[in-house]
Amino acid sequence: QIQLVQSGPELKKPGESVKISCKASGYTFTDYAMHWVKQAPGKGLKWMGWINTYTGKPTYADDFKGRFVFSLEASASTANLQISNLKNEDTATYFCARGGDTYHYWGQGVMVTVSS
Amino acid sequence: DIVMTQSPSSLAVSAGETVTINCKSSQSLFGSVRQKNYLAWYQQKPGQSPKLLIYLASTRESGVPDRFIGSGSGTDFTLTISSVQAEDLANYYCQQYYDTPNTFGAGTKLELK
Repeated sequence: QIQLVQSGPELKKPGESVKISCKASGYTFTDYAMHWVKQAPGKGLKWMGWINTYTGKPTYADDFKGRFVFSLEASASTANLQISNLKNEDTATYFCARGGDTYHYWGQGVMVTVSS
Repeated sequence: DIVMTQSPSSLAVSAGETVTINCKSSQSLFGSVRQKNYLAWYQQKPGQSPKLLIYLASTRESGVPDRFIGSGSGTDFTLTISSVQAEDLANYYCQQYYDTPNTFGAGTKLELK
């Protein structure tokens, strides 16, 4: 069956970096884009952007340009999200979601806490 | 960016009631090529990832109970849940995928009366 399994929770200090992974299984990884969605505590869902898993080209929403990087380890069917120079407002759960018609499959989410 | 306005923000219901959640987009989500509306509805329970309920405005995802009905076209959409069950208590989000950035409504919290 199709699964997206994300890495575990992270506790970081302001200014540090974090890398989150999303490992796909049950389908051909390069056939579908991977999207990333942020959810701050108690808040709604915010689309961060997506990465073309065939070409590796990322597309970022305006609010996520600069410190956020989408990357792939295609041989491992894994998409990654790296956030540099972490800020308190980056505290959130980050979801990966398989593209296609819309997001039929989601990872379980990774809670990133930024605190001094 | 397409703005998604969802209402109400919260709704208190009793089991067995029928509820309606509305979602309005700032521009039409109707695609002329496929003649479809690019609107999805998700359910999210605390501590869980969102679950797709409806896509293309009215197509129910496999395994979703038929008490969940999506309707609407253009800029106005509705999610109707008939005979609400206790397991339906959750947050509901609409999302447009007509254009990037894909945008979500602010959510509707369905609570028990």
